[in-house]
Amino acid sequence: SQQGEEDPQALSIQEGENATMNCSYKTSINNLQWYRQNSGRGLVHLILIRSNEREKHSGRLRVTLDTSKKSSSLLITASRAADTASYFCATDAYSGGGADGLTFGKGTHLIIQP
Amino acid sequence: DTEVTQTPKHLVMGMTNKKSLKCEQHMGHRAMYWYKQKAKKPPELMFVYSYEKLSINESVPSRFSPECPNSSLLNLHLHALQPEDSALYLCASSGVVLSTDTQYFGPGTRLTVL
Repeated sequence: SQQGEEDPQALSIQEGENATMNCSYKTSINNLQWYRQNSGRGLVHLILIRSNEREKHSGRLRVTLDTSKKSSSLLITASRAADTASYFCATDAYSGGGADGLTFGKGTHLIIQP
Repeated sequence: DTEVTQTPKHLVMGMTNKKSLKCEQHMGHRAMYWYKQKAKKPPELMFVYSYEKLSINESVPSRFSPECPNSSLLNLHLHALQPEDSALYLCASSGVVLSTDTQYFGPGTRLTVL
């Protein structure tokens, strides 16, 4: 079953505006990650936030995590046409240590209008 | 080098064919993964290898047979596939020590089953 659910499913904004995507999940997690995927190609890792962290920044990206609400948000500031892609949140599938598979949310398709 | 390579990029096969997908990484990662992604859907975990041993199999049909010959290589052998198996197959790798390790994805193999 799907662990993460993204909201909105699609988002279209003007270049230069900020884009916010939300993700909710169902079970306890060790960490939550965000990935970007361009046109059905491989996934590019954007940022990882651990369960004991509340906010993390990387360049134009800001991620928040609220474990009490089981939700996360990804903010992309000053968007560019090159940010057009699908964005997925992903959580580790198991609570134990070692190599865990990821469970992905349904994704948000972001379109940046020039 | 944070690259995961996959070959071939595209594959078309009949339902009676036998083919293999290949994945390679040279980051020293000891965990490798196969994911399947249908069009407009998120990736779904298929298999996890940890230290060259199969550690997770997400109830994948036996017509998909994974193999990890060494710590750098991961294969997915395909036999008697169905048209509904057409998808993008993604390989990923990560460290094993912490379940919080980032997974690095390859560009994928786009498989079409006729």
